[in-house]
Amino acid sequence: EAGVAQSPRYKIIEKRQSVAFWCNPISGHATLYWYQQILGQGPKLLIQFQNNGVVDDSQLPKDRFSAERLKGVDSTLKIQPAKLEDSAVYLCASSSRFSNTGELFFGEGSRLTVL
Amino acid sequence: EDQVTQSPEALRLQEGESSSLNCSYTVSGLRGLFWYRQDPGKGPEFLFTLYSAGEEKEKERLKATLTKKESFLHITAPKPEDSATYLCAVQLPFGNEKLTFGTGTRL
Repeated sequence: EAGVAQSPRYKIIEKRQSVAFWCNPISGHATLYWYQQILGQGPKLLIQFQNNGVVDDSQLPKDRFSAERLKGVDSTLKIQPAKLEDSAVYLCASSSRFSNTGELFFGEGSRLTVL
Repeated sequence: EDQVTQSPEALRLQEGESSSLNCSYTVSGLRGLFWYRQDPGKGPEFLFTLYSAGEEKEKERLKATLTKKESFLHITAPKPEDSATYLCAVQLPFGNEKLTFGTGTRL
């Protein structure tokens, strides 16, 4: 079974520039999450999708971050304009309501450095 | 506000020296408590889910336990390959299935 795919793995941009990250979840997983992990901290949820609808975006800085999940499969997370404090790893995860363990499956992340 | 606190922040063990990592939580109800392992440059990898106080789960040298206010991850006779950051997370009983993570223990 293929895992959660993310790209790019690394991105370096100047502040005020824009960036986009892409995620392809595990096939059949209806729920998709974007987490932000700042160095030395645990992951923090930015947004959760159920199919192509938003379930929770309470911690998404909506003045600069946006996300979409067209057709309920792939998702993109965009930051515009980026700030220095956006430097972090952006983790995508997916889950299935049919799982016995309830676990979230994570991708390897996209590391963003804002200069 | 729901909180998850892990201690210690970092732990250094000699090979074969057993120890425990702590995860304490203050939440309004608990659907599940999760333990993940995260290697440098990788995403978190699932280890265990615990659902009720008194429950225990084991995997190789790791054993996770759960009480009403905290969880422990016991590492018995660790090996160098057990070096990683261990994250715990809580899942609430109502609404969506999101996980709220602690800051992790670096072993």
